[in-house]
Amino acid sequence: AQSVTQLGSHVSVSEGALVLLRCNYSSSVPPYLFWYVQYPNQGLQLLLKYTSAATLVKGINGFEAEFKKSETSFHLTKPSAHMSDAAEYFCAVSVFSGGYNKLIFGAGTRLAVHP
Amino acid sequence: DGGITQSPKYLFRKEGQNVTLSCEQNLNHDAMYWYRQDPGQGLRLIYYSQIVNDFQKGDIAEGYSVSREKKESFPLTVTSAQKNPTAFYLCASSIDFRGQGPGETQYFGPGTRLLVL
Repeated sequence: AQSVTQLGSHVSVSEGALVLLRCNYSSSVPPYLFWYVQYPNQGLQLLLKYTSAATLVKGINGFEAEFKKSETSFHLTKPSAHMSDAAEYFCAVSVFSGGYNKLIFGAGTRLAVHP
Repeated sequence: DGGITQSPKYLFRKEGQNVTLSCEQNLNHDAMYWYRQDPGQGLRLIYYSQIVNDFQKGDIAEGYSVSREKKESFPLTVTSAQKNPTAFYLCASSIDFRGQGPGETQYFGPGTRLLVL
């Protein structure tokens, strides 16, 4: 069965520091992977998605993620954190099951950015 | 602008009361979804609908009901049978489940927070 594990429910970085949010997936078929961001009391916004076209995927707001099949990972990075990056981030894997696209989400990682 | 709207932003439910959460989209998407979000957990699928007049149970459908009478609307009713309804509810849609298969992006509304009085 497909699943997603996000390591670290809370991550704290200084403004200007590297952001690294970890995601590992379990999938029996080539995965389609997503990163979404959620600001407080708002819906989810798509940051980026992997659909096998390229292993390094660039998203919005300076984020990118690298698909590593050997490590079953899809970690999200940003070279320099900004205060506005403080939010909750969700990794998800898409599976086509029972005739529909199902998104399986990780538990989320809350990113705090301090001055 | 195209998008998904959810109303109300906050909703209060009394014991034994049914309440309905609204979800409307003007993206011309075929598929629509309802998720429940609890603190420290990811999103869990309640119901989904691929076309008008058809919907299927997700992973946690007990205590909820839906309808899909129009393509753009997918209301969720939280019934009195749902004993722990306090959560953040998110509606989503995707363009065409039949056309794209896996990897189709789901777009989310702003959410409704349901609280019990």
